[in-house]
Amino acid sequence: AQSVTQLDSHVSVSEGTPVLLRCNYSSSYSPSLFWYVQHPNKGLQLLLKYTSAATLVKGINGFEAEFKKSETSFHLTKPSAHMSDAAEYFCVATGGFKTIFGAGTRLFVKA
Amino acid sequence: DAGVTQSPTHLIKTRGQQVTLRCSPKSGHDTVSWYQQALGQGPQFIFQYYEEEERQRGNFPDRFSGHQFPNYSSELNVNALLLGDSALYLCASSSQLGTGELFFGEGSRLTVL
Repeated sequence: AQSVTQLDSHVSVSEGTPVLLRCNYSSSYSPSLFWYVQHPNKGLQLLLKYTSAATLVKGINGFEAEFKKSETSFHLTKPSAHMSDAAEYFCVATGGFKTIFGAGTRLFVKA
Repeated sequence: DAGVTQSPTHLIKTRGQQVTLRCSPKSGHDTVSWYQQALGQGPQFIFQYYEEEERQRGNFPDRFSGHQFPNYSSELNVNALLLGDSALYLCASSSQLGTGELFFGEGSRLTVL
């Protein structure tokens, strides 16, 4: 069975400091992995995706994620946070016909 | 290229009423999935439609039903509304030939009084 665990429900950083949002997955086969961002009262926007090509994936707005099969992790990072990054972030795994969402991580960015 | 469009954006209903939400997928997409997102929660999978048939279903009661039309657009119907059905309903489209990436609409905000 597939599962996605986002290890932090809330993360708070100061503007200009690095961001790390953690995601672990469990799957009996190699899934495709995604990070989505959701701003208040908006739909979800794709940040980046991993589909068994390069393990280091670059996305929009300066975000990156690294797929580590040995650790079953797909953590999202950004070198320097901006105020506009404050939002909810979802780690998502797909395989077969199933799409599994993590519970989400709320990112707060302090001035 | 229009993305995923949903209508209406907001609506208010009373308990026991019925509601229909609509979704037009991104051009070139053939699969539509519906999600319910309660306030402060992550999206919960309701069901997925492909080739006009429900292919998968999440843990939602039969009050939730749907339809996909030949042009790939879709409807979500909810009967006998409960207060707990108040949520943001998200439609996502994808392609069977793609990598599983979902494109989301802005959602329909349903309030049940």
